[in-house]
Amino acid sequence: GAGVSQSPRYKVAKRGQDVALRCDPISGHVSLFWYQQALGQGPEFLTYFQNEAQLDKSGLPSDRFFAERPEGSVSTLKIQRTQQEDSAVYLCASSSLLRGKETQYFGPGTRLLVL
Amino acid sequence: SQQGEEDPQALSIQEGENATMNCSYKTSINNLQWYRQNSGRGLVHLILIRSNEREKHSGRLRVTLDTSKKSSSLLITASRAADTASYFCATENVWAGGTSYGKLTFGQGTILTVHP
Repeated sequence: GAGVSQSPRYKVAKRGQDVALRCDPISGHVSLFWYQQALGQGPEFLTYFQNEAQLDKSGLPSDRFFAERPEGSVSTLKIQRTQQEDSAVYLCASSSLLRGKETQYFGPGTRLLVL
Repeated sequence: SQQGEEDPQALSIQEGENATMNCSYKTSINNLQWYRQNSGRGLVHLILIRSNEREKHSGRLRVTLDTSKKSSSLLITASRAADTASYFCATENVWAGGTSYGKLTFGQGTILTVHP
């Protein structure tokens, strides 16, 4: 019943390593968003799921980034062959599609550092 | 890419004073939202104002929206040390020919410091 949770909270990866970031949205929320937040910047949209369907992946910076939400609840953002420029905080948010209840609830984020 | 520009980039005030932050954006919007982010934490939703609204209040927060100027302001009255955080505006843009699903475009934020 709590809010959006993300794991791990911190991840240190060596350049070239693959990483997987997990998001547990609020139960029943149809919409799920991933954002990337670089240091000192506002979040930038990566991708959007409506239930299990990935309707928008226009913000994914390269084909090394892949996201899935196979059962319409938990989502995983995978980054292959990580690069130093991938270092950022990755935020997940979920919301209802109901009008008047569009507020996006954000998780605490996963801080990724690529060395 | 970032949609909005916020000013000031940083604001430092004393407890009890009012804080005003401004946000400008570029495209037509469905709504504009303000979020707060404490250091190292996730974003907390503060208030949403729709494109057909001009002003909205929530507790010590007052938000205005001027769609003709594509700008918004957030006023925090009687600030407290606990208000120290980064504040972001985010727009849900109108997408040509499609239904908006809530994708947000954020500004770069204003860092507010409230001194006790």
